[in-house]
Amino acid sequence: ILNVEQSPQSLHVQEGDSTNFTCSFPSSNFYALHWYRWETAKSPEALFVMTLNGDEKKKGRISATLNTKEGYSYLYIKGSQPEDSATYLCAIRGGAQKLVFGQGTRLTINP
Amino acid sequence: EPEVTQTPSHQVTQMGQEVILRCVPISNHLYFYWYRQILGQKVEFLVSFYNNEISEKSEIFDDQFSVERPDGSNFTLKIRSTKLEDSAMYFCASDLIAGETQYFGPGTRLLVL
Repeated sequence: ILNVEQSPQSLHVQEGDSTNFTCSFPSSNFYALHWYRWETAKSPEALFVMTLNGDEKKKGRISATLNTKEGYSYLYIKGSQPEDSATYLCAIRGGAQKLVFGQGTRLTINP
Repeated sequence: EPEVTQTPSHQVTQMGQEVILRCVPISNHLYFYWYRQILGQKVEFLVSFYNNEISEKSEIFDDQFSVERPDGSNFTLKIRSTKLEDSAMYFCASDLIAGETQYFGPGTRLLVL
């Protein structure tokens, strides 16, 4: 069974600070990793799809890295802003079409 | 920008009743999915649908559940006889190419009393 774990479960960060959190997954049976940003009452927003070991992707102040050999991905946010407050979801695709999600990291930016 | 839409946003129903959750995927997408999140738990996969048939389903997706694409735009999830434990947020998603980005709708919050 594919199990995805995210840490921490919640995080409070001061505005302007940088932060990062982790997604861990079994290194075997890996096909792709997806990061989503989910604000309450809105659709989860796709941030990145990553497939190759060593992949690094960037979107504005948000970036992500992938290590498939050891089974983890980091999401970084540089210079946090209040609008970054959201739940960040990581999901793995293990070959089939379905995504297997972690429990999410709830990020709160304090002004 | 194209988006996935879902209706209703909230639905309250009595145990044993049938519910139909509706989704309009992005128009040129070919693969369609339903996921759900029970409060406090992880988002979990229910079913994927391609070329007018189910391509994969989870153990949760038993005979009480069915999916349909009745026309060229809608994708529905039916729960025939709802149970208390079906209370959850139900998400629809779609993608153009299997394995690429899945685009999610805002969800339908279902409450079974």
